[in-house]
Amino acid sequence: SQKIEQNSEALNIQEGKTATLTCNYTNYSPAYLQWYRQDPGRGPVFLLLIRENEKEKRKERLKVTFDTTLKQSLFHITASQPADSATYLCALRARAYSGAGSYQLTFGKGTKLSVIP
Amino acid sequence: SAVISQKPSRDICQRGTSLTIQCQVDSQVTMMFWYRQQPGQSLTLIATANQGSEATYESGFVIDKFPISRPNLTFSTLTVSNMSPEDSSIYLCSVHGRQQNTEAFFGQGTRLTVV
Repeated sequence: SQKIEQNSEALNIQEGKTATLTCNYTNYSPAYLQWYRQDPGRGPVFLLLIRENEKEKRKERLKVTFDTTLKQSLFHITASQPADSATYLCALRARAYSGAGSYQLTFGKGTKLSVIP
Repeated sequence: SAVISQKPSRDICQRGTSLTIQCQVDSQVTMMFWYRQQPGQSLTLIATANQGSEATYESGFVIDKFPISRPNLTFSTLTVSNMSPEDSSIYLCSVHGRQQNTEAFFGQGTRLTVV
């Protein structure tokens, strides 16, 4: 069965260090992989999208890699700040059009990042 | 982009009752999506709501339990019927484009507690 795993439920990191979050998937062949941020009591907010033929994508202090051979994406936050503390979700966009009329988006459970001052 | 207003933001309900969650989008969209997020779990798609047709439900979710309305291109409701404590969860509405390279936008979520 298809599965998305984010390496840990929680990650604590010292302010200023680089946080690295992992997303692994099995039995998937996604065309796109996305990362979202979710704060308590809020809906997820889109951060970055990467295509299957892109190795790396950057946005300010964020960097995403996508290795379709390893079936893995890494999400990096450099020079982390306490304001980066949140839950980060990876999501895969299916290659096939679903019966509901869309390319279904499937989420991992998320990793709760805490940046310690 | 899309701005989604969802209400109520939270509610505590008695077992056996029903709650209707509303979702308003600031632009016209073809599809709206309803997700459930149980504690410590990933977002799980409940159903896709298209304007002018019946919602499409995912495996494990049925219309009798989660009836959905989609009266126009900017609004949808999800009802959680005959609630039990197992329905305690966060419910989220979302929109995204048809194409694979589009991101999803979410409402703030409705935190439901059934007692």
